[in-house]
Amino acid sequence: DAGITQSPRHKVTETGTPVTLRCHQTENHRYMYWYRQDPGHGLRLIHYSYGVKDTDKGEVSDGYSVSRSKTEDFLLTLESATSSQTSVYFCAISDTGTANTEAFFGQGTRLTVV
Amino acid sequence: AQSVTQLGSHVSVSEGALVLLRCNYSSSVPPYLFWYVQYPNQGLQLLLKYTTGATLVKGINGFEAEFKKSETSFHLTKPSAHMSDAAEYFCAVTDSSGTYKYIFGTGTRLKVLA
Repeated sequence: DAGITQSPRHKVTETGTPVTLRCHQTENHRYMYWYRQDPGHGLRLIHYSYGVKDTDKGEVSDGYSVSRSKTEDFLLTLESATSSQTSVYFCAISDTGTANTEAFFGQGTRLTVV
Repeated sequence: AQSVTQLGSHVSVSEGALVLLRCNYSSSVPPYLFWYVQYPNQGLQLLLKYTTGATLVKGINGFEAEFKKSETSFHLTKPSAHMSDAAEYFCAVTDSSGTYKYIFGTGTRLKVLA
């Protein structure tokens, strides 16, 4: 298994509070991704990173920000959590970034916003 | 932009029967295609991938998929279903714009009946 650790694995938070999810990898892979998984929507890309301090938006980036200050860590922040952000969040990594390289996934973080 | 369509959000088969999960893609350039499987409360793991070359791709656990350019399809099959195949399956395509984003379908949940 690829060395990807997501923390926390479960979190319940209140509407309006900021939340940070962490993804840590030990594979030294260049690319890192944050997806959210919701029933009927599959996985949707929130943000991704193609190097330290290099990030870009995905298709559902509103309300989220990311940071990558080290190769191994990619942080996802919900600036002010809303109930619509209740979801399962997955971090993924990939190696060289060539199109035929598969992504490896973490175990997910289940976030509930009440 | 590339996209993936998975027909059938739920598929049920009897144990020992053929498994067929459908995936169609949209792409203006040759795609790289992937099938992932997700077991309950776990992350996604790669079943197989198509890059270039042979259009029939074999994966883990007896699954295979055939890339058909004329039909823009990449359907997943397994000759004989096993109870342990019950899971959710995702088809994905790599974005060809050079940003190496993975675009996922909405998933198909496979149920195997005894």
